[in-house]
Amino acid sequence: EPEVTQTPSHQVTQMGQEVILRCVPISNHLYFYWYRQILGQKVEFLVSFYNNEISEKSEIFDDQFSVERPDGSNFTLKIRSTKLEDSAMYFCASSAQGQFSGNTIYFGEGSWLTVV
Amino acid sequence: AQSVTQPDIHITVSEGASLELRCNYSYGATPYLFWYVQSPGQGLQLLLKYFSGDTLVQGIKGFEAEFKRSQSSFNLRKPSVHWSDAAEYFCAVGAGGGADGLTFGKGTHLIIQP
Repeated sequence: EPEVTQTPSHQVTQMGQEVILRCVPISNHLYFYWYRQILGQKVEFLVSFYNNEISEKSEIFDDQFSVERPDGSNFTLKIRSTKLEDSAMYFCASSAQGQFSGNTIYFGEGSWLTVV
Repeated sequence: AQSVTQPDIHITVSEGASLELRCNYSYGATPYLFWYVQSPGQGLQLLLKYFSGDTLVQGIKGFEAEFKRSQSSFNLRKPSVHWSDAAEYFCAVGAGGGADGLTFGKGTHLIIQP
């Protein structure tokens, strides 16, 4: 079964440092997403991306965050200057169509970010 | 804004027993509803989804869920659980419309005892 892959699986970074989390969505998918799960809390939507631009973003996705699809296969989440409260599991996801067109949204296994 | 409530943080069930995980949502129109499962160290796997039509939906791994509009509920059920079902279960609601994000509940941790 095709899968979404994420790297790194775990990253520890110093507060104030920039972090880039990488994702390879499923190859024929058109919609890409980032979600976040702070330890012990629920999964939260960050941003969706379609046709090389942001489609939707939540209030969490402030100016510290950016997303990019630098080539035909990768989808990245950049956190410009990390804060302690950015420590979380970050999930990348993709779907062939928009997630409410009946298609399944596939999640990666997550990248665990620890900010110290 | 939509919201999801999963009232049970932890549920313990004996292997072979039936299971029901509760989910209540708040949304003004017809919701798009989902159940995901997260095993330790794994990503989120879609169990089933409701968009329209038959209110009883079948999913993978023997799970089913029933959409009850009058109760704003979308409870997940399985007639006989297996030890491998031990995981975190998340209910989610979507507003619809292409790339809109999902709103997740806080999850229910399912423990299976022998």
